[in-house]
Amino acid sequence: KQEVTQIPAALSVPEGENLVLNCSFTDSAIYNLQWFRQDPGKGLTSLLLIQSSQREQTSGRLNASLDKSSGRSTLYIAASQPGDSATYLCAVRSLNDYKLSFGAGTTVTVRA
Amino acid sequence: GAGVSQSPSNKVTEKGKDVELRCDPISGHTALYWYRQRLGQGLEFLIYFQGNSAPDKSGLPSDRFSAERTGESVSTLTIQRTQQEDSAVYLCASTLGVGYNEQFFGPGTRLTVL
Repeated sequence: KQEVTQIPAALSVPEGENLVLNCSFTDSAIYNLQWFRQDPGKGLTSLLLIQSSQREQTSGRLNASLDKSSGRSTLYIAASQPGDSATYLCAVRSLNDYKLSFGAGTTVTVRA
Repeated sequence: GAGVSQSPSNKVTEKGKDVELRCDPISGHTALYWYRQRLGQGLEFLIYFQGNSAPDKSGLPSDRFSAERTGESVSTLTIQRTQQEDSAVYLCASTLGVGYNEQFFGPGTRLTVL
């Protein structure tokens, strides 16, 4: 069974600082890894999707890396803004499976 | 086009009552998923549909939970004889097809069982 862990559980930084969010998974036989953002009382917004053959994906201020062999992914958010305050979820799709296995999330607060 | 929609957005019910939660996937998306998010916990997979059939029901927590999908579109998750531990946000997601990667999520239904 795929287990996904996110560290830290919560993070508070001043505006402008770079954010580093970590995700680890136990089974390296994955199809892809997806990072989501969840705002309070809202659904999930997909941020980045990394295929198992890729090392990283970038979108604007967001960059996600994937080291499949060590079971790790890192989400970097450059020059954080108060609007980046949310919970960030990492989800893994294992090979021969269709569902996503989620971590518990990292709750980020960016202080103005 | 419109994203995944879910209704109701909030549902408060009494213990022992039945509830129905609805999901409208993105038009043309053949795969549909239900997940549950209990307070302070990660998302748990419940059930997956490909077309109108459900090849994976492994996540349904008990026989009080059932789901159906019709017309390769709308899906309904039914919880019978609700219990307090059923209180959670129920999220629906859809993808273009089983081979397609990105899952698009709806806003969820917050279920509170008193």
